[in-house]
Amino acid sequence: DVKVTQSSRYLVKRTGEKVFLECVQDMDHENMFWYRQDPGLGLRLIYFSYDVKMKEKGDIPEGYSVSREKKERFSLILESASTNQTSMYLCASSLIPGYEQYFGPGTRLTVT
Amino acid sequence: AQTVTQSQPEMSVQEAETVTLSCTYDTSESNYYLFWYKQPPSRQMILVIRQEAYKQQNATENRFSVNFQKAAKSFSLKISDSQLGDTAMYFCAFMKWVGTASKLTFGTGTRLQVTL
Repeated sequence: DVKVTQSSRYLVKRTGEKVFLECVQDMDHENMFWYRQDPGLGLRLIYFSYDVKMKEKGDIPEGYSVSREKKERFSLILESASTNQTSMYLCASSLIPGYEQYFGPGTRLTVT
Repeated sequence: AQTVTQSQPEMSVQEAETVTLSCTYDTSESNYYLFWYKQPPSRQMILVIRQEAYKQQNATENRFSVNFQKAAKSFSLKISDSQLGDTAMYFCAFMKWVGTASKLTFGTGTRLQVTL
């Protein structure tokens, strides 16, 4: 079974802090994705990566950056956390474009 | 830009009954995929069903089936013989190619409650 893990289920940070959200997949998938999920807005794509060290902006990249130094690991970075970044963050991976994306359990981030 | 619309924020169905969740999308692409994902309460998102746009035949997975109307840009999910375990948030998603990668656009979701 594909497994996508995220470093924390719940995280509380202060405004202005630098925040790292880690995602690891164990199935040698090429493509990895970061979404945020907000009530009434569904899932929105922040960034995605289709190869190591390659990244593309999604629909809402402002205030975020990413890092993918190894194939299995994709990190989301909030350079200076703000209260409007309080949300559920979901990581996903897929082997082949057009096929299933496998999701992690999510990190619920609260910025106070 | 692609948009995906789920017009039913919440739905309720009795156990063993059939329910249909609606989804419409807007795109100028001709080659794309459509998905329904399920997110049970406090659990991970999982794929329910997948449809390739070039296939006319509607996808089916056990009790789950879709009604794909390409011209109308409609992609509804039918759940037959509903079970309590079907209680979840359901998201419709549209996938298009971005170079050699793919990108999903999700709808806002429909919360389905299955009752006794």
